[in-house]
Amino acid sequence: AQSVAQPEDQVNVAEGNPLTVKCTYSVSGNPYLFWYVQYPNRGLQFLLKYITGDNLVKGSYGFEAEFNKSQTSFHLKKPSALVSDSALYFCAVRDYPGGADGLTFGKGTHLIIQP
Amino acid sequence: DTGVSQDPRHKITKRGQNVTFRCDPISEHNRLYWYRQTLGQGPEFLTYFQNEAQLEKSRLLSDRFSAERPKGSFSTLEIQRTEQGDSAMYLCASSPGQQIMNTEAFFGQGTRLTVV
Repeated sequence: AQSVAQPEDQVNVAEGNPLTVKCTYSVSGNPYLFWYVQYPNRGLQFLLKYITGDNLVKGSYGFEAEFNKSQTSFHLKKPSALVSDSALYFCAVRDYPGGADGLTFGKGTHLIIQP
Repeated sequence: DTGVSQDPRHKITKRGQNVTFRCDPISEHNRLYWYRQTLGQGPEFLTYFQNEAQLEKSRLLSDRFSAERPKGSFSTLEIQRTEQGDSAMYLCASSPGQQIMNTEAFFGQGTRLTVV
């Protein structure tokens, strides 16, 4: 079975500082990993994904994430936070091959960027 | 707007009533997904279509739930004899799905169901 853990319910960062939102996963096969962001009254928006290749993947709005197979982690990062980055962030995984076609999401992490 | 469209955005119903939600995916996306999201939780996978074929159903999808995608375009999700525990945001997503690399899904804004 595939699963995702986001150990922090909330992350507080000062504007301009680097940010990290943590995600660990568990799969039987190979992980396909995703980050989505949810703003109030808006649908989930895709940020970035890891399928194969370089462990560091770059996505929308200056975000990046690092795939670490030994630590089974896929932490979301940004070098310099903006107040507009404040939102709810979800990590998701799909186990391939053999896993469910639907994604398994974590519970989400509220990111709060303070001016 | 060429994104995923869901209708209605909000639905309040009395316990025991039936409700139906509609999802219009991004044009030419052949994969369509339904998820449910409750407060404080991430989305939970319910079911998935490849064109008109329903290929996978989660154990969360009880017998009271049924989904269709009759022509491989829009989809409907029906809940019969609603219960208060069905109150949630129901999310629809679509993806191109032809290549394994095209696996990111694009989500609609959801239908918020409240069962009173």
